[in-house]
Amino acid sequence: KNEVEQSPQNLTAQEGEFITINCSYSVGISALHWLQQHPGGGIVSLFMLSSGKKKHGRLIATINIQEKHSSLHITASHPRDSAVYICAVTFTNTGNQFYFGTGTSLTVIP
Amino acid sequence: EAQVTQNPRYLITVTGKKLTVTCSQNMNHEYMSWYRQDPGLGLRQIYYSMNVEVTDKGDVPEGYKVSRKEKRNFPLILESPSPNQTSLYFCASSPWTSVGSGTQYFGPGTRLLVL
Repeated sequence: KNEVEQSPQNLTAQEGEFITINCSYSVGISALHWLQQHPGGGIVSLFMLSSGKKKHGRLIATINIQEKHSSLHITASHPRDSAVYICAVTFTNTGNQFYFGTGTSLTVIP
Repeated sequence: EAQVTQNPRYLITVTGKKLTVTCSQNMNHEYMSWYRQDPGLGLRQIYYSMNVEVTDKGDVPEGYKVSRKEKRNFPLILESPSPNQTSLYFCASSPWTSVGSGTQYFGPGTRLLVL
């Protein structure tokens, strides 16, 4: 069965802390995407990964294909990072259909 | 400006009254998709299209129709809306890559209430 799980569901951090959000999936994937949904509801794509690691500013995304696991790290967190972070994958057995984790709600306190 | 537009942004309707939510992108993307987002269930894919005249069902296609007659437009049609289709809807587009759909660009969302 094609499943995507995220942890934690909710996360509260102090400004400046290092944050990790995890995503696990059940079977082989073509690609994994990390999305950010702002409190106003808009969704922005942060990363697309099929292997290895990507970095953009204070955000780092890694993926371990063998372990079927990806992590999103935020270094030196800031209140403006407060958002819901969503993991999405396309599985190799279902072509171009997207499956989503239920999201991690992050609050960064000044 | 590269963007995905959706209209309307907010809609209140009654059960059974046909409606269409439009989606348009100006980035010449091959892949377009519709999602619904519900509390506790997260985002779920309704339909997607890999190019003109090519559409496929996502996870929750029941009660919805789509068409892709032009590359830039991908309307979502609710022929006979029901209250369980009350939701927040997102359209998205992305270029095609060697691993399938690339980075997705999302529209601003359409909040639908079916009474």
